[in-house]
Parts: sequence; structure tokens; C-alpha cells
Amino acid sequence: NAGVMQNPRHLVRRRGQEARLRCSPMKGHSHVYWYRQLPEEGLKFMVYLQKENIIDESGMPKERFSAEFPKEGPSILRIQQVVRGDSAAYFCASSPRADSNYGYTFGSGTRLTVV
Amino acid sequence: AQKITQTQPGMFVQEKEAVTLDCTYDTSDPSYGLFWYKQPSSGEMIFLIYQGSYDQQNATEGRYSLNFQKARKSANLVISASQLGDSAMYFCAMREGVGSGGSNYKLTFGKGTLLTVNP
Repeated sequence: NAGVMQNPRHLVRRRGQEARLRCSPMKGHSHVYWYRQLPEEGLKFMVYLQKENIIDESGMPKERFSAEFPKEGPSILRIQQVVRGDSAAYFCASSPRADSNYGYTFGSGTRLTVV
Repeated sequence: AQKITQTQPGMFVQEKEAVTLDCTYDTSDPSYGLFWYKQPSSGEMIFLIYQGSYDQQNATEGRYSLNFQKARKSANLVISASQLGDSAMYFCAMREGVGSGGSNYKLTFGKGTLLTVNP
């Protein structure tokens, strides 16, 4: 009965490279949410996906960031041409439905460092 | 305007004593939920406690209780009998429009309070 699994736990990229962050939701959960935590800040919503659909990407930067949740496999958050300002912790959460009255289960996060 | 305000960047408490972490919120939605999460130094986000805006009683979960004062829009977390393992960042968060459809899936977080428990 694994929780939300994120990998890698730590990721170091040079400026201009691509970063791919993976999230496997809890079993039976078809709703995935990505949040970003900048240093000294709380988490901020980025994107909400269901299987094969992006429901709300209002928190995603307009360029270089994309997310997907394919029919098979984990959800992927992709950051192209990373810059130093992308250094942050990226958290994924999942839920069995969107309107749950309880908090989501978060993964342990991926800490991205851009050098 | 900030939707979630945590005014205490850091708090200290002696082991075995109780501590209150402050959280005020701002919403015009009558239906909302309030959450507290713990983030230890290892980095994961651990859900602690939930309070719905229509709940009549304050939420409790073991040593955690939520002091919900709706008219004052505050949702303070009380940790009783503090333990060394309680040392962590604590985040208050809110979801608006709970159970009413719309974009009620987003959590808005405060900036957190760093709690240090002294032996």
C-alpha cells in the first residue's frame, strides 16, 4: 500500500538542461497535483491533472514547463532549459477524487538544484 | 491580500509543554477547509489535521488540536506535550469552495512556522 512515490529525490541540472520529475500516485488515485516550494516559502499550486487530461495549469509558468499524466505510467513534470530560479522542491499529491474534504497525500518531493 | 497568514516565523517550546501555532485566513467563500501540515528536515509533507468551515467542533487528532475561531478567521494549531520529534516547519493551508464544485482542489499555503522543541 505504497504512498505517493516521487523520483528522483534529488536532481542536479546545469543551466539549459532539461529536468524530468516523476510522480506515481497512490493506488486507485486518478487525480494528481503538482506544487512548487521555493526556499523559505510555502507550497504553491502548479497544475492539476487527471489521466490523459490537464484540468488546470493556471499555476504553471507560461514557458519551459509542461506536465502530463498518461494512461499508463507516472505523471511527469518537465522543465526545459532550466534556470537558477527553477531551483526548488517540487511536490506531487494525489487523491481519489477532486472534491475530497480532506488533505491530499503528498509525496516526499524532488529537490531540483540548478547549477 | 494574503489568504493564509502565519505571523510566527519561528517558535521555541520546552519538551512536554504545549505550544500554539497561529494561522489566520481570508476568504469570502462560506465553504472552505483548513489544514495543517508538518514538514520535518527530511522534507516530506505530513498531513496533521483538518477543519471544515461547517464543523461544529474543533478538530482533534491525538496531541494535535485545531482552535477554530470562525468569526476571527483563525485556525491555530495546538500541540500538547511537545516532543523532540515535533521540531519541524508547520504549514497552515486552505481550500475554498469545498464540496461545491469549481476549483476547490487547490490548497493555498502560508509561509510556515519553524518550531523548535528544546530538551
